[in-house]
Amino acid sequence: QKEVEQNSGPLSVPEGAIASLNCTYSDRGSQSFFWYRQYSGKSPELIMFIYSNGDKEDGRFTAQLNKASQYVSLLIRDSQPSDSATYLCAAPPRGRSTQGGSEKLVFGKGTKLTVNP
Amino acid sequence: DVKVTQSSRYLVKRTGEKVFLECVQDMDHENMFWYRQDPGLGLRLIYFSYDVKMKEKGDIPEGYSVSREKKERFSLILESASTNQTSMYLCASSSGRDTGELFFGEGSRLTVL
Repeated sequence: QKEVEQNSGPLSVPEGAIASLNCTYSDRGSQSFFWYRQYSGKSPELIMFIYSNGDKEDGRFTAQLNKASQYVSLLIRDSQPSDSATYLCAAPPRGRSTQGGSEKLVFGKGTKLTVNP
Repeated sequence: DVKVTQSSRYLVKRTGEKVFLECVQDMDHENMFWYRQDPGLGLRLIYFSYDVKMKEKGDIPEGYSVSREKKERFSLILESASTNQTSMYLCASSSGRDTGELFFGEGSRLTVL
């Protein structure tokens, strides 16, 4: 099993709805998770990170981490057409080989979200 | 503002050619990365560098080498390009302070004929 998996998608939601994006991970020792957003033709950019079990909110975005079930979610409330993008879940690799090696992120394949006006 | 610059946005090369992809960051970051991104396969790490002249293989290093002679510059080298190396190549840098935030360049789309 890949370290980080995103199996759902593509996802299409109407404007104003809640978009729910999911990610599972295999390493029970994983401590930190990151959500990157990638607009079509652009590079990924970090939008959320979460280290602790539970929810973390930032504006319309909420990251959820459930360590017991080994999944991470990103909820987007009041979805806007400008949220249409591919969302990538990422985590540090198993172990940590070098200084800064925890930033050698493993990415999921991404979930493409389309928000329809 | 944070900036990672990749020298070429689009390249077309022939099988067997040597290809250099250059990346420069202006943030004094410790770490630099080369990823490739392919439809259905996502982002895959080719090589990682955590200091000048220091490097680690990523998940798919075969057919690639890297060079980091200066802190701000990280080069990806395809010694003998093959058609299966046609891809989008993304360079990134990070501070090395375990923030998990990678700053990506705009990407270099390489086509090998």
